[in-house]
Amino acid sequence: AQKVTQAQTEISVVEKEDVTLDCVYETRDTTYYLFWYKQPPSGELVFLIRRNSFDEQNEISGRYSWNFQKSTSSFNFTITASQVVDSAVYFCALRNNQAGTALIFGKGTTLSVSS
Amino acid sequence: EAQVTQNPRYLITVTGKKLTVTCSQNMNHEYMSWYRQDPGLGLRQIYYSMNVEVTDKGDVPEGYKVSRKEKRNFPLILESPSPNQTSLYFCASSPHSGHYGYTFGSGTRLTVV
Repeated sequence: AQKVTQAQTEISVVEKEDVTLDCVYETRDTTYYLFWYKQPPSGELVFLIRRNSFDEQNEISGRYSWNFQKSTSSFNFTITASQVVDSAVYFCALRNNQAGTALIFGKGTTLSVSS
Repeated sequence: EAQVTQNPRYLITVTGKKLTVTCSQNMNHEYMSWYRQDPGLGLRQIYYSMNVEVTDKGDVPEGYKVSRKEKRNFPLILESPSPNQTSLYFCASSPHSGHYGYTFGSGTRLTVV
């Protein structure tokens, strides 16, 4: 069975702090895809990143970075120098290689950044 | 602008009154899907469609119907809504079979009283 665990339910930081959101996944597939989505207070789901199981390169995009480690089945997300606009719920998701199968979402981490 | 458009954004209805939530995408995506989001349960897939006239059940299909007569549209139909279908609904689309990440609509908040 596939599963995504985001153990941190809520995180509160002050602006300019760095914060890491943890994501641990379970799958028996050798080919799979991992995603991060952001859900701001307005409610929409915003795609942040996609990673396939064969690409363990870490990625940096501005203040965002992602650390994918197959050895620990983790795909963690770090925001550097957090800002109030980063306040949102962040979801990690997993999808296997079978056509049509669903994205399996974690329960999400609510990040609150105060000024 | 590439987008997935859902309507309505908010809807309050009564038990048993049929309703349709529309979803349209302008990216020529083959794959479309519906999810519902509930507190404590997260996001779960209701139905998906691999292409025109090809639909299949997701994890929580009971009480819902879908159709895919055109590539761009994927409406969600509740024939007889019940209070347990009160939820936040998202339509999503993706090129091919969904490997490339989904573009989600803005969501429809449905309340059934």
